[in-house]
Amino acid sequence: ETGVTQSPTHLIKTRGQQVTLRCSSQSGHNTVSWYQQALGQGPQFIFQYYREEENGRGNFPPRFSGLQFPNYSSELNVNALELDDSALYLCASSGALGRGDGETQYFGPGTRLLVL
Amino acid sequence: AQSVAQPEDQVNVAEGNPLTVKCTYSVSGNPYLFWYVQYPNRGLQFLLKYITGDNLVKGSYGFEAEFNKSQTSFHLKKPSALVSDSALYFCAVRDAGNMLTFGGGTRLMVKP
Repeated sequence: ETGVTQSPTHLIKTRGQQVTLRCSSQSGHNTVSWYQQALGQGPQFIFQYYREEENGRGNFPPRFSGLQFPNYSSELNVNALELDDSALYLCASSGALGRGDGETQYFGPGTRLLVL
Repeated sequence: AQSVAQPEDQVNVAEGNPLTVKCTYSVSGNPYLFWYVQYPNRGLQFLLKYITGDNLVKGSYGFEAEFNKSQTSFHLKKPSALVSDSALYFCAVRDAGNMLTFGGGTRLMVKP
């Protein structure tokens, strides 16, 4: 098991609502990345945070937003939920690139979101 | 844009036999390649990576992967499969910004 934790483990929302997912990074890691994994598919990159700033974004609309806090934990917020937002949301943490194991992203167990 | 292809949705192998899970990639510049495994209702577990150096990379649980630049492949291998290896396997390539692009996954079924 990695030291990355996510909460909640499961969540049910209705279309149009807003949701906040949380992630605590592994000790010593300063970068958090979020991925969406739809059923039967590989994870897709949403965005990444490094030292509290967004450091890259995938092909997701602005209603997907995030935060990173001084302790490097992170939140993913999704507004105006749609049925297609139903997925497993994965958080991954990593250290500084070019230093030690910085290239490797370590994943949490995920939050499974169901939008009805 | 970078991409990863895992041509087999499922690989079936008998316990004790060698296994191979295929992965090909497309990326500009030097490839940074990864394999992850996912068990039911779990997150992704890191198995191994290729950054530079030897083309044969050894990882966790007896897995290894062979990097082939000319064929743009990074196949996952294990000399002797275990029933407990049955899971979903993902190949990924990393860009300069540390974003991972994943393949669609290959389900490995190891039968006793």
